Amino acid sequence: EAGVVQSPRYKIIEKKQPVAFWCNPISGHNTLYWYLQNLGQGPELLIRYENEEAVDDSQLPKDRFSAERLKGVDSTLKIQPAELGDSAVYLCASSLSSYSGTLPNTEAFFGQGTRLTVV
Amino acid sequence: RKEVEQDPGPFNVPEGATVAFNCTYSNSASQSFFWYRQDCRKEPKLLMSVYSSGNEDGRFTAQLNRASQYISLLIRDSKLSDSATYLCVVNFLDTGRRALTFGSGTRLQVQP
Repeated sequence: EAGVVQSPRYKIIEKKQPVAFWCNPISGHNTLYWYLQNLGQGPELLIRYENEEAVDDSQLPKDRFSAERLKGVDSTLKIQPAELGDSAVYLCASSLSSYSGTLPNTEAFFGQGTRLTVV
Repeated sequence: RKEVEQDPGPFNVPEGATVAFNCTYSNSASQSFFWYRQDCRKEPKLLMSVYSSGNEDGRFTAQLNRASQYISLLIRDSKLSDSATYLCVVNFLDTGRRALTFGSGTRLQVQP
């Protein structure tokens, strides 16, 4: 079975230009995450979807970032306009949010990420 | 203060050594805990979940202390292939929110 698929793998753009990232989660996974990871840091959550609903977007810079998950499957993350400080790896992850007894089963599977360089 | 804090690292250890990583979390509403492993320029992958009673998977042992809000990972008999960054991850179940929050990671370099 295919894992989480992201595209493109690499993107170089000039500042002030728009950019979009695409994510196809594992089939059947209802939860989808977008994370940002800077060098030497852990992933930081941007937005989390439960099916098609954005349930946690408190860390998403809404003045320039937007995301959508139409039909609760694929998702896109957009930056417009990009700034130099947006250079990072953008990771998409998905999980099947279910419960086994009282223990949440929320292992997240990550895609390979999109490495964005803004020049 | 970050919600999940880890030892800064890097840890440089010889093959065969035992090494321990620590992690503290700030939100007492945390419900589930994990260790992820991330190789250089790769995506994070689940290493193991952390259960209240502690759990072991081969050379890896995870411990949880809810009272102190503290998680640890012990690696015995280190192998060269254990070289990676280890990420402490906490799942906060707070008024319906459920999101994996990562620490900054601890880098381990096992040397021959």
